[in-house]
Amino acid sequence: QVTLRESGPVLVKPTQTLTLTCTFSGFSLNTNRLCVSWIRKPPGRALEWLGFIDWDEDAYSRTSLKTRLTISKDTSKNQVVLTMTNMDPSDTATYYCARIGRCLVGGEGHFDYWGQGTLVTVSS
Amino acid sequence: SYKLTQPPSVSVSPGQTASITCSGDKLEERYVCWYQQKPGQAPLLVIYQDTKRPSGIPERLSGSNSGNTATLTISGTQTMDEADYFCQAWDSTTVVFGGGTKLTVL
Repeated sequence: QVTLRESGPVLVKPTQTLTLTCTFSGFSLNTNRLCVSWIRKPPGRALEWLGFIDWDEDAYSRTSLKTRLTISKDTSKNQVVLTMTNMDPSDTATYYCARIGRCLVGGEGHFDYWGQGTLVTVSS
Repeated sequence: SYKLTQPPSVSVSPGQTASITCSGDKLEERYVCWYQQKPGQAPLLVIYQDTKRPSGIPERLSGSNSGNTATLTISGTQTMDEADYFCQAWDSTTVVFGGGTKLTVL
């Protein structure tokens, strides 16, 4: 059974760094063609893809966030960590981690399992 | 950068067929996925690789992709289908989501 769960602070101040952890079970991130991604959904707005890390530890990020975003993994702990610097109130959103099946296979990748999400509010 | 466009809202009567579109340049050349999201819940994959349904997704949900438009069709719509629906595709190693469509069943 595949599960993912996000954890981290519910409130961060502007300019601070956000660190979120995705703890997963039921699969190994050493498996070819599996990736774990971060996605967020600001209140009342659309899903926004942030980035993902693949089985080979290569990380890919949204162009507009490349300078602020780091995604890393700890395979032994079955965790993927998102770090986002210089947080702004516009970063207030529910943050999800999700598994990507068929990742980087000719556009076949799909988000087949999702965590429940964690609401992060950026406010002083 | 690649863009996917969805209508903000679609309304349908119970038992009727709902069609939700997702438009993008030469979209038929890319695989499209669809996700259903209900309030307070995580998104749920309902269609992948244009037409495939994950285990547990009812057959009345179906997908197609032709030309510049992918379509999610819900036949015999039920009140439980009321949700936001998002399409998704890849642009090289970047993921693109559509803006989402709120499906109202009334």
